[in-house]
Amino acid sequence: QVELVQSGADVKMPGASVRVSCKPSGYTFSNHYIHWVRQAPGQGLEWMGTINPSGGRTTYAQKFQGRVTMTRDTSTSTVYMGLNSLKSEDTAIYYCAREEPLYGDFDYWGQGTLVTVSS
Amino acid sequence: EVVLTQSPGTLSLSPGERATLSCRASQSISSNYLSWYQQKPGQAPRLLIYGTSSRATGIPGRFSGSGSGTDFTLTISRLEPEDFAVYYCLQYGSSLWTFGQGTKVEIK
Repeated sequence: QVELVQSGADVKMPGASVRVSCKPSGYTFSNHYIHWVRQAPGQGLEWMGTINPSGGRTTYAQKFQGRVTMTRDTSTSTVYMGLNSLKSEDTAIYYCAREEPLYGDFDYWGQGTLVTVSS
Repeated sequence: EVVLTQSPGTLSLSPGERATLSCRASQSISSNYLSWYQQKPGQAPRLLIYGTSSRATGIPGRFSGSGSGTDFTLTISRLEPEDFAVYYCLQYGSSLWTFGQGTKVEIK
């Protein structure tokens, strides 16, 4: 069965960086793009960007350009999302999700990782 | 960038009633790339509908999607207690994805 398991909650100071991991299983790692979506407390879903696990190519939402880095480690079949220059507004649950390539939908999601930015 | 506007923001209905949720795009989008998600408190979103009208695996028949161009609709034919949640539409185009702001379906 397909599963995406994310790293645990994290607390960071303003100005710091965070890296969240996402380890998919139950399918061929290279066959599906992985997306990152965040949700601030009480707010809606916000698409951050995507990575192709096969070649590592990334596409980021304009809002996060220059601050986000998505990478993958093919030896461990793990995807990472890094966000730097953290602000209190970055406090959110960060989700990874698998893309179904034919229709561009997100058919499986990770459990979410709460990142809290606070001094 | 395509902006998705969902309406209404909140829908207050009773179990057994029909729910009609709207998702309007700022420009025409491909029907292949419009999907709907359900999110309950404390849970990750769950795919309901992909390609505008195809139900995802395990999704009950009371959920249906329709639309084309800039106007898309999610319909829940008869609300069950477990359907009260927040619903989001998502579109893909030009290598970018955008979500609508969500519609909350609450118990009246």
